[in-house]
Amino acid sequence: DQQVKQNSPSLSVQEGRISILNCDYTNSMFDYFLWYKKYPAEGPTFLISISSIKDKNEDGRFTVFLNKSAKHLSLHIVPSQPGDSAVYFCAVGYEKLTFGTGTRLTIIP
Amino acid sequence: DAMVIQNPRYQVTQFGKPVTLSCSQTLNHNVMYWYQQKSSQAPKLLFHYYDKDFNNEADTPDNFQSRRPNTSFCFLDIRSPGLGDAAMYLCATRDDQGGRTQYFGPGTRLLVL
Repeated sequence: DQQVKQNSPSLSVQEGRISILNCDYTNSMFDYFLWYKKYPAEGPTFLISISSIKDKNEDGRFTVFLNKSAKHLSLHIVPSQPGDSAVYFCAVGYEKLTFGTGTRLTIIP
Repeated sequence: DAMVIQNPRYQVTQFGKPVTLSCSQTLNHNVMYWYQQKSSQAPKLLFHYYDKDFNNEADTPDNFQSRRPNTSFCFLDIRSPGLGDAAMYLCATRDDQGGRTQYFGPGTRLLVL
């Protein structure tokens, strides 16, 4: 029973355009949400997070949106750059994280 | 730079031969985690230490053990590796006083022959 779902295994976006990655969760008790980026043969790198008291958090080109009623989380990257090509994982929790299965983002030059 | 270090990056072992993976950190974080990630799957938490307190996940096989001799080091022991244990093993740390974010090492890819 997957508590965190990333329904798009892959996404291709033109350089300079917006990349939108989506994540759905099932447990309304979750109150902290994170996005990690992972390059091949490396560990996940923390990108951005949001707590349930907010609905938006920005950090440079990265913005995370939280829709609690829909139990939906999204990551917007704008403008997309070739170095953004990686696998993106959403994760929920605090003491222990539950991860989605990831979305492979490819930025096309 | 403060970081999470995992050694070795690649480990090959034989079916049934015990293997130990190591993780060290210079962040001085009090919480350390071990995750298993198989191809195209989400990282799965095996166990974590809150200071010296060991917390095992209910579905972590007994074949997997861990030691944390001090704040900086944590080891993952696989007593009798099976073919199904081939995976990437990720170590992560968190400062319980400073935040809610886990920071990951580069991982050790384990191959079982």
